[in-house]
Amino acid sequence: KAGVTQTPRYLIKTRGQQVTLSCSPISGHRSVSWYQQTPGQGLQFLFEYFSETQRNKGNFPGRFSGRQFSNSRSEMNVSTLELGDSALYLCASSLTGGSTYEQYFGPGTRLTVT
Amino acid sequence: QQQVKQSPQSLIVQKGGIPIINCAYENTAFDYFPWYQQFPGKGPALLIAIRPDVSEKKEGRFTISFNKSAKQFSLHIMDSQPGDSATYFCAASIGSGGYQKVTFGIGTKLQVIP
Repeated sequence: KAGVTQTPRYLIKTRGQQVTLSCSPISGHRSVSWYQQTPGQGLQFLFEYFSETQRNKGNFPGRFSGRQFSNSRSEMNVSTLELGDSALYLCASSLTGGSTYEQYFGPGTRLTVT
Repeated sequence: QQQVKQSPQSLIVQKGGIPIINCAYENTAFDYFPWYQQFPGKGPALLIAIRPDVSEKKEGRFTISFNKSAKQFSLHIMDSQPGDSATYFCAASIGSGGYQKVTFGIGTKLQVIP
């Protein structure tokens, strides 16, 4: 079974631009969560989507948004990029969440904002 | 607000040693405590997990000890090997509305020297 895939793996953008990251979950998984990973803050939860609906959201500004498609693939968008947005963005998929919440992470997208 | 405090942030042990990583949480509603292992360039991978009704769980060389009254849990790696060199994250999650919201610790970078 293929794992979680994320594209692109690396991205360099300029301040003020916007960026879209993509995540394809494991086949059959309906929940996709997004995390921002930085050396100083660790893994910070951005949001979670389940069946095309955002059902949980972390404490990030509105510049960070996402969506999920009917095939469970998810995209994350960051508008008006700031230098502090440089990070590794990880997505994780799981079957449904529920009582045995096992997440499977993708390799991440390394975003550098200059 | 850091709901899961992890220490130390870095750890160096010799091959065969037993590194111990500690985590403490505040919210007694947490009901699932996973540990993740992350190698450079990869996403975190679930290593082992425990629920609060169990005081200890072993999987191979990895052991979680859980102290519910102290709201602490720890990861022990027996007979550590250079291949165990990675970053380890503890996490805690709460079941809410049929899904779980996961909070991660800051991470511990472990180096096992030959």
